[in-house]
Amino acid sequence: DAGITQSPRHKVTETGTPVTLRCHQTENHRYMYWYRQDPGHGLRLIHYSYGVKDTDKGEVSDGYSVSRSKTEDFLLTLESATSSQTSVYFCAISGGTRAGELFFGEGSRLTVL
Amino acid sequence: AQSVSQHNHHVILSEAASLELGCNYSYGGTVNLFWYVQYPGQHLQLLLKYFSGDPLVKGIKGFEAEFIKSKFSFNLRKPSVQWSDTAEYFCAVTVSSGGSYIPTFGRGTSLIVHP
Repeated sequence: DAGITQSPRHKVTETGTPVTLRCHQTENHRYMYWYRQDPGHGLRLIHYSYGVKDTDKGEVSDGYSVSRSKTEDFLLTLESATSSQTSVYFCAISGGTRAGELFFGEGSRLTVL
Repeated sequence: AQSVSQHNHHVILSEAASLELGCNYSYGGTVNLFWYVQYPGQHLQLLLKYFSGDPLVKGIKGFEAEFIKSKFSFNLRKPSVQWSDTAEYFCAVTVSSGGSYIPTFGRGTSLIVHP
């Protein structure tokens, strides 16, 4: 398995609190992605990064921000969590030679009360 | 923007039955195509992929998929399913956008195989 670690794996928080999810990779891959998985919606892209300090929005970016200050770390921040952001969040990485072939982390289950 | 449609949302089969899951995408240019599998409680794993060449690709665990460019399809098949194939299956398409590769996923198909 690719070296991808997500933390925390489970988190319960209250509406209005900030939350940061971390994705750490040891593969030195260029591309990193954050997806959320919800029943009936499959995986939807939140944000992605194509290099250090290079990020862009996905289809469901509202309410989320990201940062990538090092190749190995990609942080997803919910500035003020809402119940609609209760979901399972997956980080994925991809190298340049097999563009689009993703390796996924184990997921972070977030519950916003 | 590209989109991916998976027509079967829930499929229930008995062991040894044949499987075909549909996947269609909307994009007129060059695409890379993937099927991922998510076993209960686990993360997604690559099942098979198509970049170019032979449109019939074989993946792990006896799965195969056929790319039909004229139909914008990449259907997943398995001649004889097993109980252990119970999982959710996702089709994904990647196109190049300004040098970045942005994967788009279908909504997934839940497969239940009864022993």
